[in-house]
Amino acid sequence: DVKVTQSSRYLVKRTGEKVFLECVQDMDHENMFWYRQDPGLGLRLIYFSYDVKMKEKGDIPEGYSVSREKKERFSLILESASTNQTSMYLCASGTGTGNIIRGGYTFGSGTRLTVV
Amino acid sequence: RKEVEQDPGPFNVPEGATVAFNCTYSNSASQSFFWYRQDCRKEPKLLMSVYSSGNEDGRFTAQLNRASQYISLLIRDSKLSDSATYLCVVRGTGNQFYFGTGTSLTVIP
Repeated sequence: DVKVTQSSRYLVKRTGEKVFLECVQDMDHENMFWYRQDPGLGLRLIYFSYDVKMKEKGDIPEGYSVSREKKERFSLILESASTNQTSMYLCASGTGTGNIIRGGYTFGSGTRLTVV
Repeated sequence: RKEVEQDPGPFNVPEGATVAFNCTYSNSASQSFFWYRQDCRKEPKLLMSVYSSGNEDGRFTAQLNRASQYISLLIRDSKLSDSATYLCVVRGTGNQFYFGTGTSLTVIP
């Protein structure tokens, strides 16, 4: 089974801190995604990447950046954490050719980030 | 208008009941359709893909109606372990997946 691993399950950071959320997948998937999930709003796409060093903005990229230096690793960066970035962050990966996904995603177990 | 809309529920049904969820999508050119299941405080997991002709996996049946732009999930003979949130997911014409906000199901003994 494909495994998507997120580095931290729970994280508490202070306002203004730079925060790194790491995600690693072990199935050689081309496509990786970062979502945040909030009650009543569902999952919202922050950024995605369909190849090494490639990145695309999702629906809510403001306040975030990403890095994909290696195929298996996709990092989400909060440049200056704010309280409205308190959320559950979910990484996902999927296979496909070019930038077209085939099938569904596999999600990591999530990082619950609290910014105080 | 949201890309994907679901009735949030909650649906509370007795064990053994049949329950159905619907989900509508706004982009008629959408390519792929899925149902995910999410347990409390866990990540979403793929339950099943939805094919044009409809498909079944045990007690679960998924249907797609392109003309009316909705997909459905039917669960027969509900089990306590079916209690979860069910997310409808639609892939658009590119690489973008759109998630519904989920429908909450509780199966009662």
